[in-house]
Amino acid sequence: RKEVEQDPGPFNVPEGATVAFNCTYSNSASQSFFWYRQDCRKEPKLLMSVYSSGNEDGRFTAQLNRASQYISLLIRDSKLSDSATYLCVVIGLSSYKLIFGSGTRLLVRP
Amino acid sequence: DAGVTQSPTHLIKTRGQQVTLRCSPKSGHDTVSWYQQALGQGPQFIFQYYEEEERQRGNFPDRFSGHQFPNYSSELNVNALLLGDSALYLCASSYSGASYEQYFGPGTRLTVT
Repeated sequence: RKEVEQDPGPFNVPEGATVAFNCTYSNSASQSFFWYRQDCRKEPKLLMSVYSSGNEDGRFTAQLNRASQYISLLIRDSKLSDSATYLCVVIGLSSYKLIFGSGTRLLVRP
Repeated sequence: DAGVTQSPTHLIKTRGQQVTLRCSPKSGHDTVSWYQQALGQGPQFIFQYYEEEERQRGNFPDRFSGHQFPNYSSELNVNALLLGDSALYLCASSYSGASYEQYFGPGTRLTVT
């Protein structure tokens, strides 16, 4: 079983739609959680950190459910520029490595 | 403020050859991590260097080795290249006090033929 699992998609949505991605992780001792965004043939870039209390950054909302070991990302009012692959990332306790999921691809159409 | 830089951007090698990839961290960062990203997959952690030593290593064979220099820049060496080593190699830098905030360079795309 992979340490971090994501639905690969693609999620194909119209502009203005709301879309949600989930990610599950296998190690209950995982300490820190993030969403990264990766455009085609580019490097991953940190989108936002994820906390148990949830956090919001403009149109993006991230949530962590430790009991069920899943992380979610909600994008409201989708823009064409949101088209990218969204990578779920976990860091274990006393670890320095980022553990990536395989990514969920989002396509926003006009 | 320069971000993370990597060289070269693209590289083509033959099976059995050796390759060296280079990374300069973002200004103010002292820690460098290397990741391998195969097509359609998320990046996989190779190792991390801090204070010129390998601090943590992922599940990669000894053919993968690295080095960190006093100026914090780093090299990734891969010996006896296999076709399966073809991938995007990403370098990420961070500050030791916040190693979870890793900033990625543009990567080196390695093709092994």
